[in-house]
Amino acid sequence: EAGVTQSPTHLIKTRGQQVTLRCSPISGHTSVYWYQQALGLGLQFLLWYDEGEERNRGNFPPRFSGRQFPNYSSELNVNALELEDSALYLCASSLGLGQQDEKLFFGSGTQLSVL
Amino acid sequence: GESVGLHLPTLSVQEGDNSIINCAYSNSASDYFIWYKQESGKGPQFIIDIRSNMDKRQGQRVTVLLNKTVKHLSLQIAATQPGDSAVYFCAEAGSARQLTFGSGTQLTVLP
Repeated sequence: EAGVTQSPTHLIKTRGQQVTLRCSPISGHTSVYWYQQALGLGLQFLLWYDEGEERNRGNFPPRFSGRQFPNYSSELNVNALELEDSALYLCASSLGLGQQDEKLFFGSGTQLSVL
Repeated sequence: GESVGLHLPTLSVQEGDNSIINCAYSNSASDYFIWYKQESGKGPQFIIDIRSNMDKRQGQRVTVLLNKTVKHLSLQIAATQPGDSAVYFCAEAGSARQLTFGSGTQLTVLP
């Protein structure tokens, strides 16, 4: 069974540009989470989607946004990129609300570099 | 100017020794706890989890201990191997059913 897949694996952008990152959850999982991990630091929660709805949002500016599609895949959009947005962006999936299983399964991430 | 950042706690152990990684959690209502291992350049991988109705749970070479009285979680790795070198994260979940991650500990296994 395929795990969580993310694309692209690496991305280089310049300040002010916009970027879209993509994530496909494990088959049967309805929840998708996005995290930002700056180099050498911990996981900062960005967004949580379940069944197409945004369930929670971390302490990030509005230029970070996303959505979840009917097939449960998800996109993370970042507008007006800043240098400090350079990080590993991790997507994770879980069985979803109501399943009483909070365990997250992570993808390998998208490494974003903003120059 | 001075840069301010959060540096990961580090733990160094000799190959073959046992490792103990500690985690303090803040929410007394949390009832689910989990440990992840993150190797360089990869996403976190599930190691072991435990619910609040248990004090101890064992896996292959790993044991998680939960002390709800002092809100403390620990991960014990037996006979630590070079492949165990990684960053280890603990996480907790409460009524919101969403995991909150700790800051992580960098484990280095010395030859």
